[in-house]
Amino acid sequence: DVKVTQSSRYLVKRTGEKVFLECVQDMDHENMFWYRQDPGLGLRLIYFSYDVKMKEKGDIPEGYSVSREKKERFSLILESASTNQTSMYLCASSPDRPRYNEQFFGPGTRLTVL
Amino acid sequence: QKEVEQNSGPLSVPEGAIASLNCTYSDRVSQSFFWYRQYSGKSPELIMSIYSNGDKEDGRFTAQLNKASQYVSLLIRDSQPSDSATYLCACLILTGGGNKLTFGTGTQLKVEL
Repeated sequence: DVKVTQSSRYLVKRTGEKVFLECVQDMDHENMFWYRQDPGLGLRLIYFSYDVKMKEKGDIPEGYSVSREKKERFSLILESASTNQTSMYLCASSPDRPRYNEQFFGPGTRLTVL
Repeated sequence: QKEVEQNSGPLSVPEGAIASLNCTYSDRVSQSFFWYRQYSGKSPELIMSIYSNGDKEDGRFTAQLNKASQYVSLLIRDSQPSDSATYLCACLILTGGGNKLTFGTGTQLKVEL
């Protein structure tokens, strides 16, 4: 079974803090993704990576950055947290073609920015 | 217009009935379509994928794809209370920077005893 783990289930931070969210997958997947999920807006892609040290912007990259130094690990960084970044953050991974879009999700991190 | 649209529901069906969940998509969407199930407080899990026109069956689940009408649906036969969840439709979108998976906002299904 694919296992995707995220560093925290719940996180509370203050406005202006730098926040690190980590994601690790154990299935040697090439592709990794960061989403946020908000009521009424659904899942929105923040960043994704298809290889070590490679990254691509998703739909809403502003205020975020990512790092992928190792194949199994993909980090999301909030450079200066703001209250509008309070959300559920979901990491996902997928194998390469032809199953590229069969994504497996981690348990999520619920981030609250005060 | 959103690229992937779903009725938010809730859709309520009695136990044992067929639940029908629908999703429409825009012209830019490619050939791959997915249904994810998300229980309250949990992360999405993939339950079905469909790549070509027609029906694909897996146990009590049937995915239907109609490219001419630009919709994909999920039928759940013999609905059980454990099927109560939000169902997310996801479609592959072709963009200049490569392909990406775009999700609908989900339809909440309630299976009542």
